[in-house]
Amino acid sequence: DAKTTQPPSMDCAEGRAANLPCNHSTISGNEYVYWYRQIHSQGPQYIIHGLKNNETNEMASLIITEDRKSSTLILPHATLRDTAVYYCIVRHSGGGADGLTFGKGTHLIIQP
Amino acid sequence: GAVVSQHPSWVICKSGTSVKIECRSLDFQATTMFWYRQFPKQSLMLMATSNEGSKATYEQGVEKDKFLINHASLTLSTLTVTSAHPEDSSFYICSARPSGLNYEQYFGPGTRLTVT
Repeated sequence: DAKTTQPPSMDCAEGRAANLPCNHSTISGNEYVYWYRQIHSQGPQYIIHGLKNNETNEMASLIITEDRKSSTLILPHATLRDTAVYYCIVRHSGGGADGLTFGKGTHLIIQP
Repeated sequence: GAVVSQHPSWVICKSGTSVKIECRSLDFQATTMFWYRQFPKQSLMLMATSNEGSKATYEQGVEKDKFLINHASLTLSTLTVTSAHPEDSSFYICSARPSGLNYEQYFGPGTRLTVT
């Protein structure tokens, strides 16, 4: 699976949009971009995933650049409960048979 | 849907004893379950992949005789830490992949193990 690079930490004001970047310059054509988050002392939570089109669900939006070398996770109206470590993971479409490789992620801190 | 539970949520045991952690998929069947370990201020590290009815596959550096994994049914996998030592103190997290799907994994809430 391709490697990802994320900033170690970010701050965002409550109620504002939180934009979390991820670089994955070595991504291959059949690899998806997945986002998970981990709130302190809990198991990771799936957020969203995409291949090349932008995706949106009830939690977030995922914007993938045209060359697919980077992406941005957008939390449109951040709340204090969104404070967590966010992990960007690149994996093959059939990669559910494999365990996930977690990087260091981005520690997002929502400020009141 | 897609709920995974772990039991216990935390456990304290004495050095040299064994402790068993259960991972259950509550509302789906899981052919494959995964076990991760997370030390303080570090990321999750995959320990092993558990397939129902077969032997687990361990990641490099994980002792299979120390971390016994049993996946006897489609809804239950267990991790037994044998002869636990203080350095085994960690946050153990399982995930489960619903049978028939290729890409989704659902995580349990984790088990905090402290070995004294």
